[in-house]
Amino acid sequence: EPEVTQTPSHQVTQMGQEVILRCVPISNHLYFYWYRQILGQKVEFLVSFYNNEISEKSEIFDDQFSVERPDGSNFTLKIRSTKLEDSAMYFCASSGPATNEKLFFGSGTQLSVL
Amino acid sequence: AQKVTQAQTEISVVEKEDVTLDCVYETRDTTYYLFWYKQPPSGELVFLIRRNSFDEQNEISGRYSWNFQKSTSSFNFTITASQVVDSAVYFCALRAFFQGAQKLVFGQGTRLTINP
Repeated sequence: EPEVTQTPSHQVTQMGQEVILRCVPISNHLYFYWYRQILGQKVEFLVSFYNNEISEKSEIFDDQFSVERPDGSNFTLKIRSTKLEDSAMYFCASSGPATNEKLFFGSGTQLSVL
Repeated sequence: AQKVTQAQTEISVVEKEDVTLDCVYETRDTTYYLFWYKQPPSGELVFLIRRNSFDEQNEISGRYSWNFQKSTSSFNFTITASQVVDSAVYFCALRAFFQGAQKLVFGQGTRLTINP
């Protein structure tokens, strides 16, 4: 089965630093997402991306966050100035052209902000 | 607004017992999809099932079965003859398209522990 790939699997950064989390979605997929999961909590929606623009974002996704699909294959999440509370597992997901399709999730990037 | 509620935070049973995980959802959309995902201790999200709002047939897959009842907005998941490997966090999720929203909305998850 095709996979969504996320790198790195773990990222440790200092508070205030910028981080970029990378994802390679499944090649024929059109919808892309970022979710996060703080340890022991639910999986929370951050942002969805379709047709080269953000289609929806949550209140968590403030001005410190941005997404980009720079080259048609990668999908990145940038956190401009990390805070302690940004520590979480970040999941990238993608889904195909049909709106009834399941989301395929990557294995996640565990971000630790010190 | 779309919302998924999994009222059971944690369940612990002894191996071979049957266990049912509850899921209740809210949406104003008439077309929507319901999902269950499993998150084992390794952390990844594993897709288990998708069900659309027009198909209320229950589904069985091996030891797993799902009961979709539109009248009560519930999509419950039963594991028969549970095994230790079933220990994980299970998430129910809803994907609806009200006002163009495409996202998947997750419940809080139920941590299932199967004891030998």
